[in-house]
Amino acid sequence: AQSVTQPDIHITVSEGASLELRCNYSYGATPYLFWYVQSPGQGLQLLLKYFSGDTLVQGIKGFEAEFKRSQSSFNLRKPSVHWSDAAEYFCAVGASFDFAGSARQLTFGSGTQLTVLP
Amino acid sequence: EADIYQTPRYLVIGTGKKITLECSQTMGHDKMYWYQQDPGMELHLIHYSYGVNSTEKGDLSSESTVSRIRTEHFPLTLESARPSHTSQYLCASSEPAQGARGAPEAFFGQGTRLTVV
Repeated sequence: AQSVTQPDIHITVSEGASLELRCNYSYGATPYLFWYVQSPGQGLQLLLKYFSGDTLVQGIKGFEAEFKRSQSSFNLRKPSVHWSDAAEYFCAVGASFDFAGSARQLTFGSGTQLTVLP
Repeated sequence: EADIYQTPRYLVIGTGKKITLECSQTMGHDKMYWYQQDPGMELHLIHYSYGVNSTEKGDLSSESTVSRIRTEHFPLTLESARPSHTSQYLCASSEPAQGARGAPEAFFGQGTRLTVV
């Protein structure tokens, strides 16, 4: 069974500082990996996803993530954090898709709450 | 902007009441999901559907039920709400896998925050 671990429950950074959110996964095959962001009172928005190919993935809002198979990690990074980035961030792993239409997908981590100081 | 909508956004009800949480999407997606999210906890899949008249229970046991009579509509019902049902419920839908295009994106509604008193 797949699983996702986000070791940091809460991270606080100053505006303009760099950011790295950690994500480790457990999956028996090549995973599909996702980062979602959830602002207060809002649904989840996809930041980026990894399927195959280049292990450094660029996403929206200036975020990027790097897939490291040897470390089973998919850490999210941003060089300079903005106050509007304060939110909760979820890493998720998806099972391989079969074209018969398996609906099961997306196991989520417990989330990392990001606070941005002015 | 994702076209998936959940109503109500917030609901406070008394124990024993029957409630239905609505979820609709206008993207024509066959796959739809319900997740339950408690504060500070991960999202747990409680129901999913891969098309009309198809529903399955997810990883987390739930006393709720779902139906999928139309592609765009995936309501979740609690026959008799209890305080233990207090949580946030997130609905999602996704497009089918597109082969070399990679993993499909799941679109989420804004959630329904349910409080049972």
